Amino acid sequence: LAKTTQPISMDSYEGQEVNITCSHNNIATNDYITWYQQFPSQGPRFIIQGYKTKVTNEVASLFIPADRKSSTLSLPRVSLSDTAVYYCLVGRLSGGYNKLIFGAGTRLAVHP
Amino acid sequence: EAGVTQSPTHLIKTRGQQATLRCSPISGHTSVYWYQQALGLGLQFLLWYDEGEERNRGNFPPRFSGRQFPNYSSELNVNALELEDSALYLCASSSVPGIGTDTQYFGPGTRLTVL
Repeated sequence: LAKTTQPISMDSYEGQEVNITCSHNNIATNDYITWYQQFPSQGPRFIIQGYKTKVTNEVASLFIPADRKSSTLSLPRVSLSDTAVYYCLVGRLSGGYNKLIFGAGTRLAVHP
Repeated sequence: EAGVTQSPTHLIKTRGQQATLRCSPISGHTSVYWYQQALGLGLQFLLWYDEGEERNRGNFPPRFSGRQFPNYSSELNVNALELEDSALYLCASSSVPGIGTDTQYFGPGTRLTVL
C-alpha cells in the first residue's frame, strides 16, 4: 500500500477555502485516493474519493494531477464545524488488499 | 438507511477481564473491519472479516479475536485486558469490493477503559 504524507496541522478562518495536500509517490495503478474526516471520539466519515483529475461533491473537491503522486482536498468556505482531523488514504479493498492504512492525518483548526 | 452501529458506547473493565464489543454493518455490506484508536493517535487496523471468515489481522496479539455471524454482524473479543488496551474501538463495513466502491463506513465506536 502506498504511503501518504500530509501536513500535521493547518489553521484557517471561517469563510476561507482550505486546501490540504497529500503526497503519495508510490501510488499503484489500481489505487484510489480517499479522504476521511474525523471528529474527536467519533468514527471517521467518508468525504470524497477519486482516481484521477477532479472530483466534486456537495462537501469538497478532490484534485489529482496527471501523475497521481499527490492529491489536494479542497474545502470551500470552511466553518468552525470543519475543525477535525483529515486523513488521506491510498489503496483499494479489492484485488487482495484487505485494510486501509490510516496515517497521522492533518489536524485542521478553523478560527472565528 | 441505517449506518454502522456499535455497542456498547462505553465499556469499563479491570485488568485481566475480558471485553466483548459488537458491530452491525450497513445492510448489504459483507465486510467488517475493526480498528483501535488510542487517545490522540491514528487508527490501527485490527481485523477484517468477510463472509464469516477472518481474512486478515493487524499486528496485535492473539488475545484480540473476533468473529462474524451469518447476518454479517461481528464481535471483537479482547481477553486478559491490559491498561494499554484502553482506546476507542471502531468498526467499519464495506460492500463487495469493486471498482469505485472501496470505501469503508465507520460506526461511532466503543470507548473501552481498562482500570
